[in-house]
Amino acid sequence: ETGVTQTPRHLVMGMTNKKSLKCEQHLGHNAMYWYKQSAKKPLELMFVYSLEERVENNSVPSRFSPECPNSSHLFLHLHTLQPEDSALYLCASSQDFHSNQPQHFGDGTRLSIL
Amino acid sequence: ELKVEQNPLFLSMQEGKNYTIYCNYSTTSDRLYWYRQDPGKSLESLFVLLSNGAVKQEGRLMASLDTKARLSTLHITAAVHDLSATYFCAVENYQLIWGAGTKLIIKP
Repeated sequence: ETGVTQTPRHLVMGMTNKKSLKCEQHLGHNAMYWYKQSAKKPLELMFVYSLEERVENNSVPSRFSPECPNSSHLFLHLHTLQPEDSALYLCASSQDFHSNQPQHFGDGTRLSIL
Repeated sequence: ELKVEQNPLFLSMQEGKNYTIYCNYSTTSDRLYWYRQDPGKSLESLFVLLSNGAVKQEGRLMASLDTKARLSTLHITAAVHDLSATYFCAVENYQLIWGAGTKLIIKP
């Protein structure tokens, strides 16, 4: 039990589909993150939300659209994705943005774009 | 731009041996994190190092931080098979910047 739950665990979609990834944290944290993990590359931070406000957007293509309706839930809406977007997408949370506490990660969604 | 380099990127070793993973970073920071990831699993926090000279130990793993040298080490003592995983360091500079990971395989 990680305290951070991601669904679905696996997702296969065509380039014209629209889908959403969901993340829920049960830790009472104020900051939530989306990361992309590709083979043989460092983790890439995509988005950060702190107290439901987006505080970071690392030049992510607009085909990825985050949503944070409350401090416990984070979504990543996907549309018109490209094959190079196939990766493991990890959600994380921490007590606060810039806290000295580690981030807690979910198990990830393995995304495959056909 | 902050860069974080880990080495080695791959390490295969026998049980019972000692080894060290290195994490170098390019700009000033006094917050460094070590994580472990098992195949198909989430990242698990191992250590948080917050000051120069910080040393933390958990079981067969010991992490240290030298902010002047911009270097952290993760030392493995008398390795056991269960420590096989990929180990990441991450340095905080406004946001976390991650190393590429060290894949560690420990053979019985």
